[in-house]
Amino acid sequence: QVQLKETGPGLVQPTQTLSITCTVSDFSLTSYYMQWVRQTPGKGLEWMGFIRSGGSTEYNSEFKSRLSISRDTSKNQVFLKMNSLKTEDTGVYYCARGRSTEGIDYWGQGVMVTVSS
Amino acid sequence: DIQMTQSPSFLSASVGDRVTINCKASQNINKYLNWYQQKLGEAPKLLIYNTNNLQTGIPSRFSGSGSGTDYTLTISSLQPEDVATYFCLQHSSRPWTFGGGTKLELK
Repeated sequence: QVQLKETGPGLVQPTQTLSITCTVSDFSLTSYYMQWVRQTPGKGLEWMGFIRSGGSTEYNSEFKSRLSISRDTSKNQVFLKMNSLKTEDTGVYYCARGRSTEGIDYWGQGVMVTVSS
Repeated sequence: DIQMTQSPSFLSASVGDRVTINCKASQNINKYLNWYQQKLGEAPKLLIYNTNNLQTGIPSRFSGSGSGTDYTLTISSLQPEDVATYFCLQHSSRPWTFGGGTKLELK
């Protein structure tokens, strides 16, 4: 069945770069939009951005130039990289599958990230 | 950005009760509104997409309605397994935005 699983560091230091991998199974990344969503104590759920089925990306301006989403279709993996981390970036990061006309249909379990020195 | 105001934030109800949760958008979202259920420690699960379309495998006691800026999730007869947090997502315009969530507990 459709599965998404995020892996990443539990702890990142302020100013450093966060890298998270989402590994998917039972569907093709070339058929769906893959997004990243985070949940923080301060702002709740936030849509961060997506990579379209064709490979182009779109980001929430909230994250300005800090965020990068990419993928490796041969490995069924989607990647999030976000730099210049702050303590307010502490939260759970989810990858999620969707389509532009139907929103998100499947979510990963999420990975907890703590930004602290 | 479109703001999604979800109410109530907390809801206590009894088994068999009819439960309604609301999301109000700051502008017309043309029925591009999804509802999700999240149980503790689990991934969110899609219940309803595009206002009133029941996702495959979801019990028929869940339904959605609305238009314009106002949308509602209804559970027709609350079951113990429905204890969870529910939230809405508008995907009418980017950035997609979420409601603040409703925590549903049994009375």
